[in-house]
Amino acid sequence: KNQVEQSPQSLIILEGKNCTLQCNYTVSPFSNLRWYKQDTGRGPVSLTIMTFSENTKSNGRYTATLDADTKQSSLHITASQLSDSASYICVVSQNSGGYQKVTFGTGTKLQVIP
Amino acid sequence: EPEVTQTPSHQVTQMGQEVILRCVPISNHLYFYWYRQILGQKVEFLVSFYNNEISEKSEIFDDQFSVERPDGSNFTLKIRSTKLEDSAMYFCASKAGGETQYFGPGTRLLVL
Repeated sequence: KNQVEQSPQSLIILEGKNCTLQCNYTVSPFSNLRWYKQDTGRGPVSLTIMTFSENTKSNGRYTATLDADTKQSSLHITASQLSDSASYICVVSQNSGGYQKVTFGTGTKLQVIP
Repeated sequence: EPEVTQTPSHQVTQMGQEVILRCVPISNHLYFYWYRQILGQKVEFLVSFYNNEISEKSEIFDDQFSVERPDGSNFTLKIRSTKLEDSAMYFCASKAGGETQYFGPGTRLLVL
């Protein structure tokens, strides 16, 4: 069964600190992996997208890594800000003739406190 | 920047009633999706739509659900006879030929 597991479930950090969120998946065949940020009550917003051949990708203070051999990804947030408080969701896609079947992770709820 | 829009933002309905959730995808996008998120749970895939037909659907998307693209701009999700367990946030998403899906802000559905 295709699964995407994230850890930790929740995390509280001080403003200005760094943190790393983890994602393990069993989805196959793999097409791409995306990290989304979801503010409470809002739709997910894409942060990064990585294909099989990419090991790392950055978007401002967000850096995602991917190890396709071990089927693990991480999202590193540098110098956290209060506005980073949100759920971070790992989403893994399979291509089904271009229709892109996706499996969502359970999310990590991040709270940044002053 | 173009974005996906959804209406209404909130809907309250009685069990057994029909509801239609509306989405306006980004104009040049070709692939359309509906997802739902029950409060406190993860986002779940419902259905994908391409070239005026359903391309894939999950086990959640049973005969009570249907999708339509009635006029080339709107993309709707209809729930024929709502149940209490249909209460959730419903997200529409669209994408062009690339990989990134763009999500709408969601419709919060409450079934009483």
